[in-house]
Amino acid sequence: RKEVEQDPGPFNVPEGATVAFNCTYSNSASQSFFWYRQDCRKEPKLLMSVYSSGNEDGRFTAQLNRASQYISLLIRDSKLSDSATYLCAVNLNTGGFKTIFGAGTRLFVKA
Amino acid sequence: DGGITQSPKYLFRKEGQNVTLSCEQNLNHDAMYWYRQDPGQGLRLIYYSQIVNDFQKGDIAEGYSVSREKKESFPLTVTSAQKNPTAFYLCASSVGLAGAYNEQFFGPGTRLTVL
Repeated sequence: RKEVEQDPGPFNVPEGATVAFNCTYSNSASQSFFWYRQDCRKEPKLLMSVYSSGNEDGRFTAQLNRASQYISLLIRDSKLSDSATYLCAVNLNTGGFKTIFGAGTRLFVKA
Repeated sequence: DGGITQSPKYLFRKEGQNVTLSCEQNLNHDAMYWYRQDPGQGLRLIYYSQIVNDFQKGDIAEGYSVSREKKESFPLTVTSAQKNPTAFYLCASSVGLAGAYNEQFFGPGTRLTVL
């Protein structure tokens, strides 16, 4: 089992739709969590950190469920510009640093 | 403007050659990382450094080498021992030594192709 797993995708949604991505992690030493956005042939860029209480940034909402070991990203009112690959990342504190990235979920938003 | 730069953007290598990928940051970050990304896959950690003159192997270090002589610079050498080097290479940095709560900032990447 991979340490961080994401919905395989791709997700094809119309503009205005609400779409949710899930990411599960297997290591209970996971300490912090992030969602990155990666456009085609570009570098990943931080979309948002994921806090224990959940957090929202405009149309984007991130949630953490430590008991079930997953994080989620909800995008409301999808825009064409939201089309990208979304990577989840988990930072482990196991006496030393380690960040594990998921393989990413591709999103296509269509007019 | 602060950021991370990588060069070159595209690199072509003949089999048997060593090549060095450049990564420079002016964010005053202590930690720097090298990742490899293959099509449809996530990022895999090659090497990382949390302080000058110190670095550790990541999950796929075989066939690669690094140095960290300056805080700002973390070059990656892809040696001829790396059997399948064609990939997208990403350099990243983060604040501080622990890294546990720090997000990473990425450079624009180098796309390496072996001919």
